Amino acid sequence: LAKTTQPISMDSYEGQEVNITCSHNNIATNDYITWYQQFPSQGPRFIIQGYKTKVTNEVASLFIPADRKSSTLSLPRVSLSDTAVYYCLVGDGSGGYNKLIFGAGTRLAVHP
Amino acid sequence: EAGVAQSPRYKIIEKRQSVAFWCNPISGHATLYWYQQILGQGPKLLIQFQNNGVVDDSQLPKDRFSAERLKGVDSTLKIQPAKLEDSAVYLCASSLEGMISGKETQYFGPGTRLLVL
Repeated sequence: LAKTTQPISMDSYEGQEVNITCSHNNIATNDYITWYQQFPSQGPRFIIQGYKTKVTNEVASLFIPADRKSSTLSLPRVSLSDTAVYYCLVGDGSGGYNKLIFGAGTRLAVHP
Repeated sequence: EAGVAQSPRYKIIEKRQSVAFWCNPISGHATLYWYQQILGQGPKLLIQFQNNGVVDDSQLPKDRFSAERLKGVDSTLKIQPAKLEDSAVYLCASSLEGMISGKETQYFGPGTRLLVL
């Protein structure tokens, strides 16, 4: 059962780059690493997903080292609206169907 | 493209009463999930459907919770009887195929906030 560890909370200021690192020592060969964002009173929203090296989209970048035991979500130039909880997940490869195990996430607070 | 719809958005009941939540997934999505999210915690998977069959209900308290997905589309989650500790947000999500290939994107609805008094 893959588990993830990420900081409980982080603080940043508008315009800064934020990097949230997640460790997943027991990641399986078939597992992808996925990050979700959740605002208060909303369901989680997919941000980015990757398997290895670097993935970039219009919202964020995801850096994954060769051993895949950790990953870093990078948010460039954050704004107040990026204040949310960020979840790092890896698929649980046990059984026929994988499932996502959410941890407590990282609460990011962006200050003016 | 319409997102995942859930109703009601809010529900207040007394303990030992019954309650039901409804979810309409994104059209064409084969996999549907129900999560329970207690305040300050991440979502916890309760049950996962692939079409209208259950593929994982290992964390569903089956003595009081039940769920069905008739015709492989809409789904209902029921709690009977409710306990104080059931107060939480109940999230429904859907995905196109499920995690057969090891990667998938889940699309979440807005959730139903349940308060049990």
